Amino acid sequence: EVQLVESGGGLVQPGGSLRLSCAASGFTFSSYNMNWVRQAPGKGLEWVSYISSSSSTIYYADSVKGRFTISRDNAKNSLYLQMNSLRAEDTAVYYCAVEGVVIDYYMDVWGKGTTVTVSS
Amino acid sequence: QSALTQPASVSGSPGQSITISCTGTSSDVGGYNYVSWYQQHPGKAPKLMIYDVSKRPSGVSNRFSGSKSGNTASLTISGLQAEDEADYYCCSYAGSSTWVFGGGTKLTVL
Repeated sequence: EVQLVESGGGLVQPGGSLRLSCAASGFTFSSYNMNWVRQAPGKGLEWVSYISSSSSTIYYADSVKGRFTISRDNAKNSLYLQMNSLRAEDTAVYYCAVEGVVIDYYMDVWGKGTTVTVSS
Repeated sequence: QSALTQPASVSGSPGQSITISCTGTSSDVGGYNYVSWYQQHPGKAPKLMIYDVSKRPSGVSNRFSGSKSGNTASLTISGLQAEDEADYYCCSYAGSSTWVFGGGTKLTVL
């Protein structure tokens, strides 16, 4: 079974840092592109970042560019999101999503999410 | 990277049909046929319901259909059922491996 499990969320003060992880299983992680998507409380989905299977291509939403860093360790079947200079508006559930496991190009399998709260 | 525009809410009675619109620009919805729709029940992860504007993944009911005209995509749900009550999000490819979502539409089955 294809599975993604996020971890690392929690309460952090404004200006602080947090590192999210996403553990993948049930598919050949190193062959697939990955994304982070977030959802603020009571709000819609927002695409955050993309990383290609080999880490050669990385993109960020303008709202997090320069503050967040996406990375992956294919040997550990893991995806990461390093979040620095956190702001209250970064408070959200963060989901990792894989592209193309079932449907080419699309974020077709998602984790259950991990909650990040930025507050003093 | 502006969000796509969806109505905040729609409603319908069991058995009826509803349509949710999703308006973008020529840089996203209008520029690519990589439009998808996700269903999200409270506290759950999004589920892919439609891709490539109008295709359904295996296991998704044929009551769900999608279309696109210009910069506007649409999701139609026919024969509404109670379990269809959820939030629905459109999503479009926006170039350079980036994606943009709509603000979401809350579907209420009366």
